[in-house]
Amino acid sequence: AQSVTQLDSHVSVSEGTPVLLRCNYSSSYSPSLFWYVQHPNKGLQLLLKYTSAATLVKGINGFEAEFKKSETSFHLTKPSAHMSDAAEYFCVVGNYGGSQGNLIFGKGTKLSVKP
Amino acid sequence: GAGVSQTPSNKVTEKGKYVELRCDPISGHTALYWYRQSLGQGPEFLIYFQGTGAADDSGLPNDRFFAVRPEGSVSTLKIQRTERGDSAVYLCASSSRGLNTEAFFGQGTRLTVV
Repeated sequence: AQSVTQLDSHVSVSEGTPVLLRCNYSSSYSPSLFWYVQHPNKGLQLLLKYTSAATLVKGINGFEAEFKKSETSFHLTKPSAHMSDAAEYFCVVGNYGGSQGNLIFGKGTKLSVKP
Repeated sequence: GAGVSQTPSNKVTEKGKYVELRCDPISGHTALYWYRQSLGQGPEFLIYFQGTGAADDSGLPNDRFFAVRPEGSVSTLKIQRTERGDSAVYLCASSSRGLNTEAFFGQGTRLTVV
């Protein structure tokens, strides 16, 4: 069975400093992995996705994530945080076995950015 | 429309009543998903349609929940005999082919059962 664990429920950084949001996954297959962002009162938006191509995936707004099979991790990073990055971030694994076809979300990490 | 549209945006209903939540996906998207998000939690999968058929309904919590997509476009999530524990934001998403393709989410319907 597939699952994801987001290791931090809340991360606080200062504007201009690096961001690291941690995610570990469990999957019976070669996984498809995603990061979604949810701003207050807005819909979920895809930041980036990994589907067995390059292990370093670049997304929107300067975010990137590295797939590490040996560590079963897919951490999200950004070199320099911006105030507009404050939001809830979800690590997601695709559950594609047999007739299944859904996305399994982690519990989320709330990112706060201090001026 | 340009994105996934969900109506109503807010719904307050009394315990025991029946409710319907509507999702209008992006035009041409064959895959449609319903999720439920409780406060402080990530979205939980309910059901996945490929075209008109429910390809995976393993996430529906019990037989009070049912969803249809009769013409392969608009979908309706139906909840019978609502309970206070059903209160959550119900999210709909669509994608062009389903598996491994980007899912676009609507802004959700906030259901409150009083």
